[in-house]
Amino acid sequence: QSVLTQPPSASGTPGQRVTISCSGSSSNIGSNYVYWYQQLPGTAPKLLIYKNNQRPSGVPDRFSGSKSGTSASLAISGLRSEDEGDYYCAAWDDSLSGWVFGGGTKLTVL
Amino acid sequence: EVQLVESGGGLVQPGGSLRLSCAASGFTFSKAWMSWVRQAPGKGLEWVGRIKSKSDGGTTDYAAPVKGRFSISRDDSINTLYLQMNSLNTEDTAVYYCTTDQIYWGQGTLVTVSS
Repeated sequence: QSVLTQPPSASGTPGQRVTISCSGSSSNIGSNYVYWYQQLPGTAPKLLIYKNNQRPSGVPDRFSGSKSGTSASLAISGLRSEDEGDYYCAAWDDSLSGWVFGGGTKLTVL
Repeated sequence: EVQLVESGGGLVQPGGSLRLSCAASGFTFSKAWMSWVRQAPGKGLEWVGRIKSKSDGGTTDYAAPVKGRFSISRDDSINTLYLQMNSLNTEDTAVYYCTTDQIYWGQGTLVTVSS
């Protein structure tokens, strides 16, 4: 069981907008920044969003992040076939004194 | 360009030891807090532990499953991060990634614990 809770799967058609949720608690999301990662098949995770809603250079603005209370969301607009992969949220947990991850959401582009 | 290159993975028997290395370049390694994250086959990401920069105390934190068995160290003179893994068991089988505290990631090195 992961400390952060994500839906195991999500899907959408090309051009659609999809959102992936990430639920935590006061000791992690509620008091620290949320990070989002994309892991395409057979590759290492890549940072998509840091500090809740900041995009590293090179990440398209189709990807956006938000946080409210103890939950966060990743939104992907203008869905493309190359977006298929696994998406993870992460945050520092003050109670565990460590980083915690969501279980991952497998995104399928229909 | 930031580069993180892990090495040292391989097959090891249960109860054995292994040391992973991560060669860093493209940023000021001595100032960076560094982490190890692992991913078991077909599973999600799991944080292993981290080491702060020496200027921030150089202290380490570990996830509960590896505490007391794994040790993280760094050699700032050669921009290298280490993960010493002892008393390995089959549940430690995973790809191990080196990260600049969750920002930049290496390509990973596979550790297989099996008899």
